[in-house]
Amino acid sequence: DTGVSQDPRHKITKRGQNVTFRCDPISEHNRLYWYRQTLGQGPEFLTYFQNEAQLEKSRLLSDRFSAERPKGSFSTLEIQRTEQGDSAMYLCASSLGGTTRREETQYFGPGTRLLVL
Amino acid sequence: GNSVTQMEGPVTLSEEAFLTINCTYTATGYPSLFWYVQYPGEGLQLLLKATKADDKGSNKGFEATYRKETTSFHLEKGSVQVSDSAVYFCALKNYGQNFVFGPGTRLSVLP
Repeated sequence: DTGVSQDPRHKITKRGQNVTFRCDPISEHNRLYWYRQTLGQGPEFLTYFQNEAQLEKSRLLSDRFSAERPKGSFSTLEIQRTEQGDSAMYLCASSLGGTTRREETQYFGPGTRLLVL
Repeated sequence: GNSVTQMEGPVTLSEEAFLTINCTYTATGYPSLFWYVQYPGEGLQLLLKATKADDKGSNKGFEATYRKETTSFHLEKGSVQVSDSAVYFCALKNYGQNFVFGPGTRLSVLP
């Protein structure tokens, strides 16, 4: 049973550096989501892909953030010129199309914990 | 807008105690309601869900009933185990919108 995987699991970087995270969804899932989770809070939606198309972006996703899903399979989330406020857990989730988004079950990866010094 | 409120943790119980974690929501229309659980070092896992009023979601001994009149979706379990220690998130999802999660409630079950 291969669930959602994320790489790396942990990343420490210096302020101003660029970082890139990867998410591999469950293979037949065509919907992919990115979330950010800070300590003591629930996940907050960042962006959503249906296949390779990025259909929604949260206002939380500043210009320094970019996400791609070039072939409709894995996805990357890049943060440019990192700031200390970017320190958080970045979660990826995927779901199978065919159900309404209101009722779908999203399967989450273990997350990438980012610390910006 | 949509929002979810959960009881603050941490909640500490002895094994075999009864568990209730309160969740109330604010939303327009008829959202679906979910409970997700996050074990240490792992991602969130769906625990149960309900998609319409008066539905009861259940899984692994946990239950929650969608109460539209009180806008609540309280999580209950009759007898908790040490292995239930985790963070529990209540969440809602409305038509055309994305997940809104509560802040989470940490549960610790002592042997």
